Amino acid sequence: AQSVTQPDIHITVSEGASLELRCNYSYGATPYLFWYVQSPGQGLQLLLKYFSGDTLVQGIKGFEAEFKRSQSSFNLRKPSVHWSDAAEYFCAVASYNNNDMRFGAGTRLTVKP
Amino acid sequence: GAVVSQHPSWVICKSGTSVKIECRSLDFQATTMFWYRQFPKQSLMLMATSNEGSKATYEQGVEKDKFLINHASLTLSTLTVTSAHPEDSSFYICSACGTGGGDIQYFGAGTRLSVL
Repeated sequence: AQSVTQPDIHITVSEGASLELRCNYSYGATPYLFWYVQSPGQGLQLLLKYFSGDTLVQGIKGFEAEFKRSQSSFNLRKPSVHWSDAAEYFCAVASYNNNDMRFGAGTRLTVKP
Repeated sequence: GAVVSQHPSWVICKSGTSVKIECRSLDFQATTMFWYRQFPKQSLMLMATSNEGSKATYEQGVEKDKFLINHASLTLSTLTVTSAHPEDSSFYICSACGTGGGDIQYFGAGTRLSVL
């Protein structure tokens, strides 16, 4: 069965600094990979996804992620963080038909002024 | 993008009562809907997967008789928490995918259930 590991429970960065959130997955076949963001008390918003093709994926709000099969990783990056980016970020993996989606434990991002 | 509406956003009920949560796909037909549960400061745990017109598939450890799922149409799935108890208090989130939504799960805003 697939699984996702987000090694960092909580990250604090200064506004304007760069950001990288780590995600490692375990899946036997080619995975569908996702990054979602959740604000307190809210549902999940899709930031970006990887199904196939270019391993560098661009998403909304200036986020990007790179799929590295050799490292089983799908790290999320942003060159300059804004205070509004403070939220919980979840990495997820699913099978090709999008069933059986599994989420990582999440990384809470705090942005310092 | 595809929109999933979840209602209510917050419900408080007495122990022993049943609560129904609705999940609707507003602008696409959801052939598959998913129900998740999220405890405070934790990740989402898949509870069940439902396909329109068929019985839901529950994850191991999820009580089928306590969490009744109905996916009667291509735009509506409901989760009924029967005989709710305080330990059922949680944040419940639905998602949907299907024709028009592509291969992506679109999530509702969630329902916070508090059982007194």
